[in-house]
Order: sequence, then structure tokens, then C-alpha cells
Amino acid sequence: DGGITQSPKYLFRKEGQNVTLSCEQNLNHDAMYWYRQDPGQGLRLIYYSQIVNDFQKGDIAEGYSVSREKKESFPLTVTSAQKNPTAFYLCASRRQGGRNQPQHFGDGTRLSIL
Amino acid sequence: GDSVTQMEGPVTLSEEAFLTINCTYTATGYPSLFWYVQYPGEGLQLLLKATKADDKGSNKGFEATYRKETTSFHLEKGSVQVSDSAVYFCALSPMDSNYQLIWGAGTKLIIKP
Repeated sequence: DGGITQSPKYLFRKEGQNVTLSCEQNLNHDAMYWYRQDPGQGLRLIYYSQIVNDFQKGDIAEGYSVSREKKESFPLTVTSAQKNPTAFYLCASRRQGGRNQPQHFGDGTRLSIL
Repeated sequence: GDSVTQMEGPVTLSEEAFLTINCTYTATGYPSLFWYVQYPGEGLQLLLKATKADDKGSNKGFEATYRKETTSFHLEKGSVQVSDSAVYFCALSPMDSNYQLIWGAGTKLIIKP
């Protein structure tokens, strides 16, 4: 079955450490997204990518970085510059084709500070 | 800019009660509208969508009708179950964007047996 795989499910970061969250999709979708969700809150867009080797900042990109070297993969690095990284991180993808296309989500990665 | 407003939660109901979760939007033209559901500890799942005025989206007993005149997309279900307890998100896809979804803040639904 096609879908989006996020790993790991739980991740712990030490002070001053960079960590990378994996997101892989086999839906053949062109666009991919990273969101941050804080407890009891909605979704905030971190980065998105519409095609390979291109990506744009979302609303809260500071302290994060991404790459899009392959269509299937869109890893997110939480850098040491992100001072409050504890959150639930969601990856999504979307088929190109206009506003009628929904986004499809992975099961998320929960990041905590040690 | 475009925006989505959902009723604040939590919404607490007894099993078999009728459910309405309000969603209103501000947008130019005719956006597409979506409802997503998030169960505890999981990602979001598409529940239903509507892409033009007067369209009704439906899935798993849930329904929502795209009302252009009231700029609303309220989620309804005739008889809720404990398993419907989750957070529900309303979202819109603007006419002038082919990448973005605008999200509501989410409404937590608690169903008591």
C-alpha cells in the first residue's frame, strides 16, 4: 500500500545537537511538507517542496533545515538554533493538480529534549 | 488573507448524540474545503472534502456541506460513538495557490459512553 513513512516515532535531542527526522513517500507525489504541532494546537508550516531540489520556507522555518534530493524523500533537520524543539512533527505530501488535491500525512515523530 | 475559524473545544457529548462542529472561512473566490481527523498520537487523516459550492462531502457517517452564502463548512454526524473521540481540523485550499492548505486550530471531541 502507498503511504508516507516517518521515522523514528520518538526522538530525543541533547542540548546543542542537530537531529534529523526522516520522511519517505511512495505515493509518487510531487509536493511534500513539514508541519510542527504543539500540544493542543493546530499545524504550523515549517518548510515545503514542490519539486526535487527546490524548497521554500513556511511560517516557522528558523532553526530548521531541509533537503529534497529525491522525489520520495524530504528529511527535516532540527538544528541547535531551534531553542524550543519539543513538539510533534508531521510530514505530508500532495499530488500536483490544483486546489482539489488533499494532503496525505505520515504518523508523525515526537521530539523531546533530554 | 485567507483564514479558517473553528469552534473551540473540547466538545463533550454522550454516545449516540448528534454532532456539529462549526467551521467558517474567509477566502476569495471558491476555495476547496477539507475536514481531517487526528486520533491520539497519530497523523491526520482526510475525512471528507468539497470542491465547489453546495457540494456535500461524506464519509464514515460524517457530512459537511459547502455553503458559499454563509462561508461555512460545518461537520455533522447523526449518532456519535466513543471511537469518534479525536481532534477534527477544518482546512481550505485557496483558489490562487496550488500548494498550500490554510488550517483551523482544531476542535477536540470527547464522546462519553
